[in-house]
Amino acid sequence: EAQVTQNPRYLITVTGKKLTVTCSQNMNHEYMSWYRQDPGLGLRQIYYSMNVEVTDKGDVPEGYKVSRKEKRNFPLILESPSPNQTSLYFCASSPLSAGQPQHFGDGTRLSIL
Amino acid sequence: EDQVTQSPEALRLQEGESSSLNCSYTVSGLRGLFWYRQDPGKGPEFLFTLYSAGEEKEKERLKATLTKKESFLHITAPKPEDSATYLCAVGPGSGNTGKLIFGQGTTLQVKP
Repeated sequence: EAQVTQNPRYLITVTGKKLTVTCSQNMNHEYMSWYRQDPGLGLRQIYYSMNVEVTDKGDVPEGYKVSRKEKRNFPLILESPSPNQTSLYFCASSPLSAGQPQHFGDGTRLSIL
Repeated sequence: EDQVTQSPEALRLQEGESSSLNCSYTVSGLRGLFWYRQDPGKGPEFLFTLYSAGEEKEKERLKATLTKKESFLHITAPKPEDSATYLCAVGPGSGNTGKLIFGQGTTLQVKP
């Protein structure tokens, strides 16, 4: 089954404790992207990757890091999380670019105290 | 500045009562406009892609249309299972093929 898998699905942690949210896709897609979803603000793009070792900033990259060492994986790293990063996070992928329909994971709900 | 605005924020319909959702956009060029459906606790699910003004796409009770400044998602004779949040997203055509800008969404509730 074609899917985008995120882990963990839920996480409660404390300010400053580094965390990583993993994202994996099994569709051999070139393009992957991370979004955060907040009430009243909709989905906002954090980072995206056009291919292995190629990443770029979206609209809200501050406080986040990403890496793309393999085509299937695109982890999101919060080096020093802060409460304003409490949000619902989605990973997505598409065959080539943002100009094609994206497949989304089921989300990761992060709470940073 | 590239921007996508959806209206209304929330819409309540009776079963069978047709209506339309609006997505207006201001972007430097357009590589594609996308409609997604999102159910509570789930990631967005792709519905339609529109690439040029005048284009229309249909799927069951949904029909998406596109002009140079906005897109409409028409819902004909909706059923309670159509209740969801509908998201519009635009890929700007300024040469950067990685960016995608979402609107805030319209939450639709269809009552039996």
